[in-house]
Amino acid sequence: GAVVSQHPSWVICKSGTSVKIECRSLDFQATTMFWYRQFPKQSLMLMATSNEGSKATYEQGVEKDKFLINHASLTLSTLTVTSAHPEDSSFYICSATGAGATDTQYFGPGTRLTVL
Amino acid sequence: GENVEQHPSTLSVQEGDSAVIKCTYSDSASNYFPWYKQELGKGPQLIIDIRSNVGEKKDQRIAVTLNKTAKHFSLHITETQPEDSAVYFCAAWSGKSTFGDGTTLTVKP
Repeated sequence: GAVVSQHPSWVICKSGTSVKIECRSLDFQATTMFWYRQFPKQSLMLMATSNEGSKATYEQGVEKDKFLINHASLTLSTLTVTSAHPEDSSFYICSATGAGATDTQYFGPGTRLTVL
Repeated sequence: GENVEQHPSTLSVQEGDSAVIKCTYSDSASNYFPWYKQELGKGPQLIIDIRSNVGEKKDQRIAVTLNKTAKHFSLHITETQPEDSAVYFCAAWSGKSTFGDGTTLTVKP
């Protein structure tokens, strides 16, 4: 149980285009979803926290207009990277809580974004 | 905000030996301390966790200890196997997770 999926697993896009990444909790209702960014050989950096039906809370330094987060249902959150540039290339990972303890996070497999 | 320090950054052990990874945190309000294993190109996988009202927890070859007074917690892996090779992250939760910088564990057969 407590499975989180992400789609796509990898994406390559041209500079200036927008990319949408989906995060789904498959067998539980996610009270909260988190979006992280991870550069090679580095730790996870929290970008934003989202609760179903409300606006996401962004971490300091994360551009809200650049990284649009929508949490429309208890099982789906999306991250849209708008007008992507090569510096946005990274590994994006989501996690969700709600399967059991409110602080236990279950992570998705990640999405590798490459912007050419 | 919370600050988590993790040591060592790399750890190499012989198969069958034990491995210990240590973390310290700064926010006394943190009350949940998970450990994650991340393999290359994959998302983190929760391997064990401990809450602030517990001093030690064990699950087969993996154990975690917590010293609230000193604000540090440790991961212990016994009888290491090559498949234990991965990057391990500690985290401290106080409404959200703050992660350590990770430890690359290599288990040599």
